[in-house]
Amino acid sequence: EPEVTQTPSHQVTQMGQEVILRCVPISNHLYFYWYRQILGQKVEFLVSFYNNEISEKSEIFDDQFSVERPDGSNFTLKIRSTKLEDSAMYFCASSGSGNGYTFGSGTRLTVV
Amino acid sequence: QQQVKQSPQSLIVQKGGISIINCAYENTAFDYFPWYQQFPGKGPALLIAIRPDVSEKKEGRFTISFNKSAKQFSLHIMDSQPGDSATYFCAASRQAGTALIFGKGTTLSVSS
Repeated sequence: EPEVTQTPSHQVTQMGQEVILRCVPISNHLYFYWYRQILGQKVEFLVSFYNNEISEKSEIFDDQFSVERPDGSNFTLKIRSTKLEDSAMYFCASSGSGNGYTFGSGTRLTVV
Repeated sequence: QQQVKQSPQSLIVQKGGISIINCAYENTAFDYFPWYQQFPGKGPALLIAIRPDVSEKKEGRFTISFNKSAKQFSLHIMDSQPGDSATYFCAASRQAGTALIFGKGTTLSVSS
């Protein structure tokens, strides 16, 4: 079964540092997403990406966040200057022409 | 308008019993209603989904009931098993490629 692959599985970073989280969506999917889940809380939408541009973003997705599809397979989330409150699980997801969203296993980001 | 309200927050069911989780939404533009299962340290995995043109969908032991007029939908897990112990999230979205809005989750424990 096709999978969404995320790397790394766990990243520890110093406050104020930049991090890049990486994802390989399912190859024939058209839409790509990033979600965040703070420990024990619900999964929150950050951003959706289609046709090489952001199609929708939430209030959480402020100027410190950016997304990019640098080549035909990778999809990245960059956090420019990390804060303690950015510590969370970050999930990448992708979907095709229907609504079937497939999630990756996540990257646990710990900001110290 | 964008919220999906989920209850209960936690649920304990005996093995073989029926687990019922409920969700309600406000935005009538939502037209896709999935349920996700999440185990600790893993990403959400699609369990079953429904569109508002049907009132019920069954896949194995899992059934979604959908009440369009009440703007409510529920997940029923028949013959609950210890392996079903996980966190369950309801969600909703508009057309393909838009944000998937999650409920706060229900932690299900099935006792043997």
